[in-house]
Amino acid sequence: DTAVSQTPKYLVTQMGNDKSIKCEQNLGHDTMYWYKQDSKKFLKIMFSYNNKELIINETVPNRFSPKSPDKAHLNLHINSLELGDSAVYFCASTTPGLGYNEQFFGPGTRLTVL
Amino acid sequence: AQRVTQPEKLLSVFKGAPVELKCNYSYSGSPELFWYVQYSRQRLQLLLRHISRESIKGFTADLNKGETSFHLKKPFAQEEDSAMYYCALSGSSNTGKLIFGQGTTLQVKP
Repeated sequence: DTAVSQTPKYLVTQMGNDKSIKCEQNLGHDTMYWYKQDSKKFLKIMFSYNNKELIINETVPNRFSPKSPDKAHLNLHINSLELGDSAVYFCASTTPGLGYNEQFFGPGTRLTVL
Repeated sequence: AQRVTQPEKLLSVFKGAPVELKCNYSYSGSPELFWYVQYSRQRLQLLLRHISRESIKGFTADLNKGETSFHLKKPFAQEEDSAMYYCALSGSSNTGKLIFGQGTTLQVKP
């Protein structure tokens, strides 16, 4: 199946812990994104990488560190988790500049910080 | 500033009724506009983009630059249309960055 996949699907953890979420796409896209969907379902971009280079960093606390080992993978590491980090995190990918910017989304990772 | 506004958090209609989900945007250049849909327990997926001017699942959306709007319409709602709908704007062809509205939940009652 060609798609964007994320692991894990659910993540429950204690405040103060460090956790990672992984994202992989096999669509051949060169740009990947992380979005946060809060409890009110508001979707906001956090980061974007193009071919392993950071191109968007939207006022996100530096406890969040994205890592892109290659253009098919974009992982999100979060240090010292806080209650407010509880949300659904979506990964997406596209290849911008091909006439339109349709993004393909992963299934989401629901993070709950206790 | 780039902004997308969806004024309705929830829109509830009966099956067969017309539907209009409102979207207004703020952008100084020539934006690309999209509607994304998230069905229950499914991932976010593209429904429509303004440049293709197509009808998908009976939905259409017309970009009105004068009113800076991109409302989503369907003449006869179906129960399977119940979902969360997001209007999104892309102002950068280099990064493909999407700015989303707050989302509107469409509930179609039998």
